[in-house]
Amino acid sequence: AAGVIQSPRHLIKEKRETATLKCYPIPRHDTVYWYQQGPGQDPQFLISFYEKMQSDKGSIPDRFSAQQFSDYHSELNMSSLELGDSALYFCASSLDWDKGATIYFGEGSWLTVV
Amino acid sequence: GDSVTQMEGPVTLSEEAFLTINCTYTATGYPSLFWYVQYPGEGLQLLLKATKADDKGSNKGFEATYRKETTSFHLEKGSVQVSDSAVYFCALTGAGGTSYGKLTFGQGTILTVHP
Repeated sequence: AAGVIQSPRHLIKEKRETATLKCYPIPRHDTVYWYQQGPGQDPQFLISFYEKMQSDKGSIPDRFSAQQFSDYHSELNMSSLELGDSALYFCASSLDWDKGATIYFGEGSWLTVV
Repeated sequence: GDSVTQMEGPVTLSEEAFLTINCTYTATGYPSLFWYVQYPGEGLQLLLKATKADDKGSNKGFEATYRKETTSFHLEKGSVQVSDSAVYFCALTGAGGTSYGKLTFGQGTILTVHP
């Protein structure tokens, strides 16, 4: 079965650079979520989109932005990168209309800021 | 706000031992509860879930029962294997009008199983 696809899997950037992460949800899933997991930390919710509109916002820095496109894929843009942005970034997807729906995570994108 | 508290780890067991990882939560309303597992270098995989009180989630020999009276969702397995070594996260969502999918995770419990 198709899963949530994230790219790139690994990314190395320098401080103050910009990075873009992409997420392709499971087909027919209409909701996408982004999470950030720092080293040894639990995942923290950043932002979510339902039907291409932002549906919820968590602890996402102002330097970060995200959107969901007409084909439901999503991109997380991170500017003015800081060392503390080094983390594993997860994308997840689900069918929002069903409260009991399973939330599926991608394998994550490792961002290292040097 | 919503929160999830897991037993402090790490947990080290011998193969075939009984496993319990405690999880308690604080939330308004009626959250859905989950256990996710993260194997070394990999992403988060849903292990099991329960969406209402007294529901029992089960998968791959793991079980957890949604106990509203004690606000708990403890993970158990009768006989662990070396391949179960991973980090286990308890999580909740959907409580009090929160956008479903905005998961609140516990701090994670590292499980190591020795042969």
